[in-house]
Amino acid sequence: NAGVTQTPKFQVLKTGQSMTLQCAQDMNHEYMSWYRQDPGMGLRLIHYSVGAGITDQGEVPNGYNVSRSTTEDFPLRLLSAAPSQTSVYFCASSYNYRTSGRENTQYFGPGTRLTVL
Amino acid sequence: GQQLNQSPQSMFIQEGEDVSMNCTSSSIFNTWLWYKQDPGEGPVLLIALYKAGELTSNGRLTAQFGTTRKDSFLNISASIPSDVGIYFCAGPNTGNQFYFGTGTSLTVIP
Repeated sequence: NAGVTQTPKFQVLKTGQSMTLQCAQDMNHEYMSWYRQDPGMGLRLIHYSVGAGITDQGEVPNGYNVSRSTTEDFPLRLLSAAPSQTSVYFCASSYNYRTSGRENTQYFGPGTRLTVL
Repeated sequence: GQQLNQSPQSMFIQEGEDVSMNCTSSSIFNTWLWYKQDPGEGPVLLIALYKAGELTSNGRLTAQFGTTRKDSFLNISASIPSDVGIYFCAGPNTGNQFYFGTGTSLTVIP
């Protein structure tokens, strides 16, 4: 298993540009999520999904869109990048304890470092 | 939003010393997770706790799920240089949202 993979590893954007951060997992996990990590602030949840076709907002959703058309993929879209979105982005996946009864410990991808100029 | 407070924020210790850190929540958690993050990497799960009062070990690491369900503790015994990193506590609320603490940065001096 490759686990959770993310692309790209690094990205530089200009203000107003759009882009999609890719995330994929091969563990058949129902639950997938996106976090951003800023210095001194830990990880904050942007959006999450409990299964294909279902998404919901996390703690800091503004400026980001997500979709979940398959179990494996959960892309994060920045429609019009802003300097405040400069951060490190992590994707994570887990089983959904509530529906599967299996442990819901999350496994993280390696991250995408995004700089918006 | 949910508040997970970790302390201390940073620690500088000598190799071989024991380490203790804790995490407190403003509300009850049914699961506590402890992660370690190395520079430039994603967090890696160390220990998962599922029951109040539970004490779980993973090598030199021991974590406990507080009896109030609003706190958790992580201890590292006989620290070594590779223990360096940032340690995060985390847990899901009742609505499937995960919250992370602000992290404890550990530096081990050889």
